[in-house]
Amino acid sequence: NAGVTQTPKFRVLKTGQSMTLLCAQDMNHEYMYWYRQDPGMGLRLIHYSVGEGTTAKGEVPDGYNVSRLKKQNFLLGLESAAPSQTSVYFCASSYTTTGELFFGEGSRLTVL
Amino acid sequence: QKEVEQDPGPLSVPEGAIVSLNCTYSNSAFQYFMWYRQYSRKGPELLMYTYSSGNKEDGRFTAQVDKSSKYISLFIRDSQPSDSATYLCAMKRSNNNDMRFGAGTRLTVKP
Repeated sequence: NAGVTQTPKFRVLKTGQSMTLLCAQDMNHEYMYWYRQDPGMGLRLIHYSVGEGTTAKGEVPDGYNVSRLKKQNFLLGLESAAPSQTSVYFCASSYTTTGELFFGEGSRLTVL
Repeated sequence: QKEVEQDPGPLSVPEGAIVSLNCTYSNSAFQYFMWYRQYSRKGPELLMYTYSSGNKEDGRFTAQVDKSSKYISLFIRDSQPSDSATYLCAMKRSNNNDMRFGAGTRLTVKP
């Protein structure tokens, strides 16, 4: 049972480069989320989706875009990476809005 | 001021000790309170889930919510080395998808 899978697990970018993080879940969850985790800051919500074809902004959306073309996938894009986007990114999914979040193992991004 | 405050520790205790982890919050609209456990270089996993005020017990773990004081706690009895991890408190409002997390407390249980 894979749960929530994130790719890639590690990536190093140069300032200004673009990239996409992919999240896939096999639990048929409606809700999907992208968080970033920074030391001393905890997890902060970037964007989320309440269903296929829908997305919404979270607490820290600037510099990121997302898409949910298929129910099982949620993509996070960085169009022009900045050093401030160096972080560990976690994707999560849930069955309901008040339900348990199931997290992936994280994607470590370094922007030089 | 952060909406959710959590002492980052680190906290080191001997095996068998009782551990107390705490969070305070400022938004009285929070209704759902959770504790997640995160092992090094892994994603968080749900440990305890509580709705509104009260206590909830699950094995060696007890979660307490005091909404009047805006204070939540997690107690671990008979702590084990396998409990060594970072513990994150989390909370959210009804009909809102933005769960707010504390910064996490790193716990080490020494054999």
